[in-house]
Amino acid sequence: EDKVVQSPLSLVVHEGDTVTLNCSYEVTNFRSLLWYKQEKKAPTFLFMLTSSGIEKKSGRLSSILDKKELFSILNITATQTGDSAVYLCAPYSGNTGKLIFGQGTTLQVKP
Amino acid sequence: KAGVTQTPRYLIKTRGQQVTLSCSPISGHRSVSWYQQTPGQGLQFLFEYFSETQRNKGNFPGRFSGRQFSNSRSEMNVSTLELGDSALYLCASSLLGAGTPTEAFFGQGTRLTVV
Repeated sequence: EDKVVQSPLSLVVHEGDTVTLNCSYEVTNFRSLLWYKQEKKAPTFLFMLTSSGIEKKSGRLSSILDKKELFSILNITATQTGDSAVYLCAPYSGNTGKLIFGQGTTLQVKP
Repeated sequence: KAGVTQTPRYLIKTRGQQVTLSCSPISGHRSVSWYQQTPGQGLQFLFEYFSETQRNKGNFPGRFSGRQFSNSRSEMNVSTLELGDSALYLCASSLLGAGTPTEAFFGQGTRLTVV
């Protein structure tokens, strides 16, 4: 059965800290892994990772995939209060639009 | 470029009724997937449509059904509503979703409350 585990489940940091969020997966017919940020409503797309070892970067956020060890990490440097959200990782399973979501990591950034 | 549009945003229904939710994907996107989000279960896959065909289905009872039209708009129907169907229903739109990894973008969701 497909499985995605994110850790930690929740995290409280102060502004300026750096955080690392983890995502391990066991998914049949893995295609790619997507990261999302969810505040109040819709998950907002952050990254799509398809190849091992190639870092994707967007501002203070970066992410990398290890297809051999079946995990991905999301790093956020110099955190800000606006980074407070639930971060979701979701591998694509198979040839269709089936994303398998982890439980999410709830990040709270205090001023 | 317009994003993914879901209607309605909020719904309150009573047990036993049925409901239809709508999702208009990003222009040019042919794949629409539906997800149910609840505090206890997180985001769970319902089904995916591509070019009017259901390609994959999650582990939900037959009361949950959907369809996709030729313009890629999709509808999801839940019949004989139960209290446990109260959730945020999200749809995701992607360009291909057919073997080629593509990004998926979510709509704002429909918050369904069953009383």
